[in-house]
Amino acid sequence: DTGVSQNPRHKITKRGQNVTFRCDPISEHNRLYWYRQTLGQGPEFLTYFQNEAQLEKSRLLSDRFSAERPKGSFSTLEIQRTEQGDSAMYLCASSPKVSSYEQYFGPGTRLTVT
Amino acid sequence: EDQVTQSPEALRLQEGESSSLNCSYTVSGLRGLFWYRQDPGKGPEFLFTLYSAGEEKEKERLKATLTKKESFLHITAPKPEDSATYLCAVVSYNTDKLIFGTGTRLQVFP
Repeated sequence: DTGVSQNPRHKITKRGQNVTFRCDPISEHNRLYWYRQTLGQGPEFLTYFQNEAQLEKSRLLSDRFSAERPKGSFSTLEIQRTEQGDSAMYLCASSPKVSSYEQYFGPGTRLTVT
Repeated sequence: EDQVTQSPEALRLQEGESSSLNCSYTVSGLRGLFWYRQDPGKGPEFLFTLYSAGEEKEKERLKATLTKKESFLHITAPKPEDSATYLCAVVSYNTDKLIFGTGTRLQVFP
């Protein structure tokens, strides 16, 4: 299967701990997006990359969140000093080319902050 | 501000009972409107892209249509396996991100 993969699928952490999630996009997709989804809501944009360049970040993304895509392939999303309000599903998506806005999502990482 | 509103929030149908889901949008220049299906605990699954008013796309029992202000997802003779949350999203000329609605939770009973 060559779809978007995310690891881990589930993460339980204590408040104040740091967590890091990984996303591997579909091969040769040059755009990679991160979204967050809470129960009963649609996914909410966090940030996106074109190759290794981070082109946009949501105003809602606090300084505790940081994302990287060092070689233009996989990406990591780190949350520092987690809070209970960070509990959500974190979704990664990739898009094949500049002129296409179709985004293909991974299975997500479910974060629970206790 | 770009906005997407979906209705109804939830829909219960008997197997074979056709219906439509609505997606109203307000965007500063529409690049594309997208429909996704999401099963519980999983990521959204891409269904359709619509780019201009009057466009229609079909896939099995699903048909998506687009006007200048809204999109409809028509479900013909649904089956229990069509039960899922259907999400609508738009991309505007201001950005490349998807703006999602809150979804319609569809349940189809045998």
